[in-house]
Amino acid sequence: GAVVSQHPSWVICKSGTSVKIECRSLDFQATTMFWYRQFPKQSLMLMATSNEGSKATYEQGVEKDKFLINHASLTLSTLTVTSAHPEDSSFYICSADPRSTDTQYFGPGTRLTVL
Amino acid sequence: AQSVAQPEDQVNVAEGNPLTVKCTYSVSGNPYLFWYVQYPNRGLQFLLKYITGDNLVKGSYGFEAEFNKSQTSFHLKKPSALVSDSALYFCAVSPPRGRRALTFGSGTRLQVQP
Repeated sequence: GAVVSQHPSWVICKSGTSVKIECRSLDFQATTMFWYRQFPKQSLMLMATSNEGSKATYEQGVEKDKFLINHASLTLSTLTVTSAHPEDSSFYICSADPRSTDTQYFGPGTRLTVL
Repeated sequence: AQSVAQPEDQVNVAEGNPLTVKCTYSVSGNPYLFWYVQYPNRGLQFLLKYITGDNLVKGSYGFEAEFNKSQTSFHLKKPSALVSDSALYFCAVSPPRGRRALTFGSGTRLQVQP
């Protein structure tokens, strides 16, 4: 299957700082990537759809100025959590869908802890 | 709007016994249906999908799922459970056209006892 990586796998930061999470498709190109958030013992909630070369599409209730998404190439999307606060602590997971497979493959996730 | 329901928070089964994890969905048109598995502090691994064709879909690690249009269900099954199958299982649906973001069920924790 297709491989998606994320970096870092975990990060701890102080309140008020910004954190960047990278999502890469390693063996395919992805014009679209998706960012999800998962709270402990809960399901995944879609945050935004990342589109290569254009603006991301955010889900209702997700602050676009807080969660900055950049999809600069066909293999890389980044999520930057700006001015992070403890309530932003969560597990962030990205996914990408190789063309013609109709299947999303997920990265291993990034656990963010904001102190 | 599309939705997915996984009615069981947890399923317990003895090793060697058959297992079923239930999923029902609500979506306009013909859905794309998926099962994913998640191990602790890990991303999701794709197990299988139904798009069209045979209602019985076979996937990874011996899992299979049956699409039932009249009951709007897509239950995950395995004939003989392994302890290593213990994990969190998610059913998901996406519309056949347009955006392909997934809508997930709440997840079912499968516990296989030795």
